[in-house]
Amino acid sequence: KNQVEQSPQSLIILEGKNCTLQCNYTVSPFSNLRWYKQDTGRGPVSLTIMTFSENTKSNGRYTATLDADTKQSSLHITASQLSDSASYICVVISGGGYNKLIFGAGTRLAVHP
Amino acid sequence: EAGVTQSPTHLIKTRGQQATLRCSPISGHTSVYWYQQALGLGLQFLLWYDEGEERNRGNFPPRFSGRQFPNYSSELNVNALELEDSALYLCASSSSASSYSTDTQYFGPGTRLTVL
Repeated sequence: KNQVEQSPQSLIILEGKNCTLQCNYTVSPFSNLRWYKQDTGRGPVSLTIMTFSENTKSNGRYTATLDADTKQSSLHITASQLSDSASYICVVISGGGYNKLIFGAGTRLAVHP
Repeated sequence: EAGVTQSPTHLIKTRGQQATLRCSPISGHTSVYWYQQALGLGLQFLLWYDEGEERNRGNFPPRFSGRQFPNYSSELNVNALELEDSALYLCASSSSASSYSTDTQYFGPGTRLTVL
């Protein structure tokens, strides 16, 4: 069964600290993996898109990694800011058609001053 | 460049009624996607339209339907509303119809539907 599991479910950190969010998937065949940031009450915003051959991709203070062998991805946030408080959603796209767009449940991050 | 727009922002209906949600994609984008995000749950894929055609749909009953107009804007219709249809409905657009594409989907702000 195609699944995307994210951990932790929620996370609280202090401003300025780093954190890492995890995404494990059992989607096959694999096309690409995306990380989205979703502020409360708003639509998701794309952070990174990673294909099978990419191991690391950065977008400012966000760095995503992908291990296609172990089917794991992580999103590392450096020097967190209050504005990083949001839900972070991992999405895996299978090569089998668009009904194979599989979303994780997200990690809710709260950054406190 | 204007982003994806959705209307209305909020919609309140009662059980059994019909709801119509609208989405305008980014200029130049031909693909429109609809998602449902129920409270506390992840995004669920509803429908995908490209060039006026329905390309794929998720695991939702037929009372969820829609269409895409010649200007690529789209409408989502939900008939015979049920309480569990209460959710944030998100629309996204992209410039590529390929499911293998690495093109980004750009999301709108969503329509919050409440069914009483």
